[in-house]
Amino acid sequence: QVQLQQSGPGLVKPSQTLSLICAISGDSVSSNIAAWNWIRQSPSRGLEWLGRTYYRSKWYSDYAVSVKSRITINSDTSKNQFSLQLNSVTPEDTAVYYCAREGGRGRLDPWVQGTLVTVSS
Amino acid sequence: DIQMTQSPSSLSASVGDRVTITCRASQTIVSNLNWYKQKPGKAPDLLIYAASILQSGVPSRFSGSGSGTDFTLTISSLQPEDFATYYCHQSYNTPYSFGQGTNLEIK
Repeated sequence: QVQLQQSGPGLVKPSQTLSLICAISGDSVSSNIAAWNWIRQSPSRGLEWLGRTYYRSKWYSDYAVSVKSRITINSDTSKNQFSLQLNSVTPEDTAVYYCAREGGRGRLDPWVQGTLVTVSS
Repeated sequence: DIQMTQSPSSLSASVGDRVTITCRASQTIVSNLNWYKQKPGKAPDLLIYAASILQSGVPSRFSGSGSGTDFTLTISSLQPEDFATYYCHQSYNTPYSFGQGTNLEIK
């Protein structure tokens, strides 16, 4: 059974970088049949897909247009985890952030419990 | 980008009722449509994927249908634990997108 555990700060100052890590157990970040996604949720924006990384003989990443200039999703095979970095944050980036495994047909399951990240000085 | 529109945005129903939630995509997504249930303070849980395949462990009172641009989620007989917010999600291509949610409340 795949389990995800998320870590990272709950408070980030404006203009700084939001960094979260999602540790995987029960699967491999290098799996050839899974992808590893970041999603966020806020009252104003609802559920918003941010991006994903996956391995298919080499590493790929896809990002949402809304954050493409500020986002990086990386994998760390030695720790079996993946990460989110969002640069130059503003209060608009305040949200609950989730990591999730993408399986066949693009289904997202499981999702981590989620981390509220507040952008405030 | 593909836009997903859910209706209704909120719905009041009673235990035992049959309810249907619809989701429309701005372009064809074939059958790459997933449904999730979310309780307050919790992460979304997968209910149905590929438009009509019930996720393991999900009660059979949940069903999904549709293809192309129009999809439905049906709960055949509402149970108390079904009162939650439901979201559709297209996984046809990236950027993935979600509907705005349907808040199912007790009447």
